[in-house]
Amino acid sequence: DAGVTQSPTHLIKTRGQQVTLRCSPISGHKSVSWYQQVLGQGPQFIFQYYEKEERGRGNFPDRFSARQFPNYSSELNVNALLLGDSALYLCASSLEVVGGTEAFFGQGTRLTVV
Amino acid sequence: AQSVTQPDIHITVSEGASLELRCNYSYGATPYLFWYVQSPGQGLQLLLKYFSGDTLVQGIKGFEAEFKRSQSSFNLRKPSVHWSDAAEYFCAVGAKGYSTLTFGKGTMLLVSP
Repeated sequence: DAGVTQSPTHLIKTRGQQVTLRCSPISGHKSVSWYQQVLGQGPQFIFQYYEKEERGRGNFPDRFSARQFPNYSSELNVNALLLGDSALYLCASSLEVVGGTEAFFGQGTRLTVV
Repeated sequence: AQSVTQPDIHITVSEGASLELRCNYSYGATPYLFWYVQSPGQGLQLLLKYFSGDTLVQGIKGFEAEFKRSQSSFNLRKPSVHWSDAAEYFCAVGAKGYSTLTFGKGTMLLVSP
């Protein structure tokens, strides 16, 4: 079975641009979460979606948004990119709400903002 | 608010020696605890998890961890380290019904010959 897949793997954007990151969860998993990992830090929670509804939001500005589709895949959108948005963006899928069951992470999307 | 502390930023261990990585957490409810490993530029791989029951849990790659409620700790151990274990290790805490996993800042493990 395929694991969590994220696309693209690497991305370079200019300040002020917008970016969309994509995630496909493990088959049968209905929960998708997004994390931002800045170099040298642990992942920080951005969003969690379960059954297409937002179940949690971390301390991130409104420039960050996400959605989950009927097939449980998800997109993370970031508008008006700042240099500080440069990070590894990780997607995690789980059967239930993250924390109640184990979360499986994708390889991440490395976003560089120049 | 929940928090996770990994007091060691870097640890160097000789190949074949034992390993213990420390993790302390702060959480109001009964925690669910996890250890993940991350190789450079890669995603996170789950090593082991604790939800309830036996406080000594076994994971993949020969790792184990012990939950000590009185010390709010969940330390990761391995009796004999291999060079391939060199990576960054993250402790995380969550809870059933809550959407967030809170991670520590990680411990970078270096393995010397």
